[in-house]
Amino acid sequence: EAGVAQSPRYKIIEKRQSVAFWCNPISGHATLYWYQQILGQGPKLLIQFQNNGVVDDSQLPKDRFSAERLKGVDSTLKIQPAKLEDSAVYLCASSFPGLAGYGEQFFGPGTRLTVL
Amino acid sequence: QKEVEQNSGPLSVPEGAIASLNCTYSDRGSQSFFWYRQYSGKSPELIMSIYSNGDKEDGRFTAQLNKASQYVSLLIRDSQPSDSATYLCAVLTGANNLFFGTGTRLTVIP
Repeated sequence: EAGVAQSPRYKIIEKRQSVAFWCNPISGHATLYWYQQILGQGPKLLIQFQNNGVVDDSQLPKDRFSAERLKGVDSTLKIQPAKLEDSAVYLCASSFPGLAGYGEQFFGPGTRLTVL
Repeated sequence: QKEVEQNSGPLSVPEGAIASLNCTYSDRGSQSFFWYRQYSGKSPELIMSIYSNGDKEDGRFTAQLNKASQYVSLLIRDSQPSDSATYLCAVLTGANNLFFGTGTRLTVIP
């Protein structure tokens, strides 16, 4: 079974530029998550999708971050414009439907973003 | 108050010893609890889940849950150098939000 795919793996941009990350979840996983992990901290949920609908985006900085999952499969997270404090690893995860599944998540390799 | 709190460590144990990792949480409505392992530069990997009070064993790993004390722990028996990683406690709240702690960095010394 293929895991969660993410690209790119690394990205370096200058502040005020824009950047986009792509994620393809495990086949059959209806729930998709985007997390931000700053060095030395645990992952922080940015947005959660159930199929192509948003379940939770309460911690997404909506003035600069956006995400979509148009066909209920793969997803894109965008930052525009980027700030220095956005430097982090952006993790995508997916899970089966169901209550227990929300906690049993499978993570992709992440995208390490450096904003200069 | 943070949703999930862990000692950041580092925690060092000799090879073959028992490593004990602890976690507390704030939402009394939480029903599901998880331990993820994260090697340096890698993404988190689920290693244990526990849903009811008591102990749950899986190989060298034992998760312990005490909902009255809002406390979760992970014991690693016969610790190996390959267990050296950051261990993240995660709690699924009553609102179905998964919150992660900051992680405890474990080093197993050969």
